[in-house]
Amino acid sequence: QSALTQPASVSGSPGQSITISCTGTNSDVGGYNLVSWYQQHPGKAPKLMIYEGTKRPSGVSNRFSGSKSGNTASLTISGLQAEDEADYYCCSYAGIVVFGGGTKLAVL
Amino acid sequence: QVQLQESGPGLVKPSQTLSLTCNVSGDSFNSGTYFWSWIRQHPGKGLEWIGYIFYSGSAHYSPSLKSRLAISVDTSKNHFSLKMSSVTAADTAVYYCARVTVRQGAFDIWGQGTMVTVSS
Repeated sequence: QSALTQPASVSGSPGQSITISCTGTNSDVGGYNLVSWYQQHPGKAPKLMIYEGTKRPSGVSNRFSGSKSGNTASLTISGLQAEDEADYYCCSYAGIVVFGGGTKLAVL
Repeated sequence: QVQLQESGPGLVKPSQTLSLTCNVSGDSFNSGTYFWSWIRQHPGKGLEWIGYIFYSGSAHYSPSLKSRLAISVDTSKNHFSLKMSSVTAADTAVYYCARVTVRQGAFDIWGQGTMVTVSS
């Protein structure tokens, strides 16, 4: 099972919006709605930000949103803030689990 | 408040078996709502799923690691464990345990992680 494909890095200015893509196949992202997204700050454990492709856990800012089209899932962060600077990982659950390679978000 | 805490040796010799335990507090470990999972992260790299187990003992493993893995659960002690045999330097990583919601397949609660170094 290959890792899901994410851009290595994205950047944006405070207040702007950015989108991180996550591309898989019909066997993972495209075949199921069980895509989740995680935020990881340096030296910390990952934190669940989006599940089932579009849903936010309680306590996660509504600036974070998810979507999916075909074999590609996306995470959008609107109104960028300095504390959003982190690594972001997508994940597909289809019996077995596959993570994306991760995207480093820089808030310039 | 559910908490997960990894424990185990921070240093393992090559060819030996890596053993870690994840203690689960504040939750019903026997709930059929969750899987209990291990994930690792090589230094400076991304997340790699290792495997997960249901409270009944049914386990699923990463195909690339399956031959060296055993994940077990002890419901009486509210913990689950990872054993990885024949380790090499390539197994040096931070190892996380996490709770996975069965219906959503989401890793909703994570332990803080424990660094394991494979070296003689």
